[in-house]
Amino acid sequence: AQSVSQHNHHVILSEAASLELGCNYSYGGTVNLFWYVQYPGQHLQLLLKYFSGDPLVKGIKGFEAEFIKSKFSFNLRKPSVQWSDTAEYFCAGSGGSYIPTFGRGTSLIVHP
Amino acid sequence: DTGVSQNPRHKITKRGQNVTFRCDPISEHNRLYWYRQTLGQGPEFLTYFQNEAQLEKSRLLSDRFSAERPKGSFSTLEIQRTEQGDSAMYLCASSSSRDRGGFLTEAFFGQGTRLTVV
Repeated sequence: AQSVSQHNHHVILSEAASLELGCNYSYGGTVNLFWYVQYPGQHLQLLLKYFSGDPLVKGIKGFEAEFIKSKFSFNLRKPSVQWSDTAEYFCAGSGGSYIPTFGRGTSLIVHP
Repeated sequence: DTGVSQNPRHKITKRGQNVTFRCDPISEHNRLYWYRQTLGQGPEFLTYFQNEAQLEKSRLLSDRFSAERPKGSFSTLEIQRTEQGDSAMYLCASSSSRDRGGFLTEAFFGQGTRLTVV
């Protein structure tokens, strides 16, 4: 089945460390990719999205992601994390359908 | 607040009872999704509406689950004869097909309804 997968389920970092969360997709052809964040007690919020064009996508709060077609990857990065980045991060994607499917998520804990 | 609204936020029910959840999407959003999320997992797709038409249902959705979107605005998700395995967070999301000429756009999520079946 077409899907996205996240391999880092738990990540613990200290403030100011760099972050990279992995996401791989299995769609061929049209690809739509998203990263969502869920802060404790809050709803899912969109961090960034890729539909086409420039493979380096910049989102909110200093996050960015790079679409690498040859690697089927859409990894999320942030050069310097803050304690407030502690949250669950979900990669989501769709091939040609209108239904985004989600990865299992990565729990990020940032120590002050 | 003009975001996606879900009610109730929490529901505790006894096994075997029926429950119904409501979702009010962002105004003018013609696409509506229901997902289910359990601890440590990502949202799992349940069903999708475009306007009032239910266009897709997950094979994981048993016949105890039914969803409606009668006028293409709010939607309800009903679970009949609840089981303990139904305990989860039920998420609603909406999006518009008009922003990208009919192609997929980002979905906006509500706060969810947390169901506990005892």
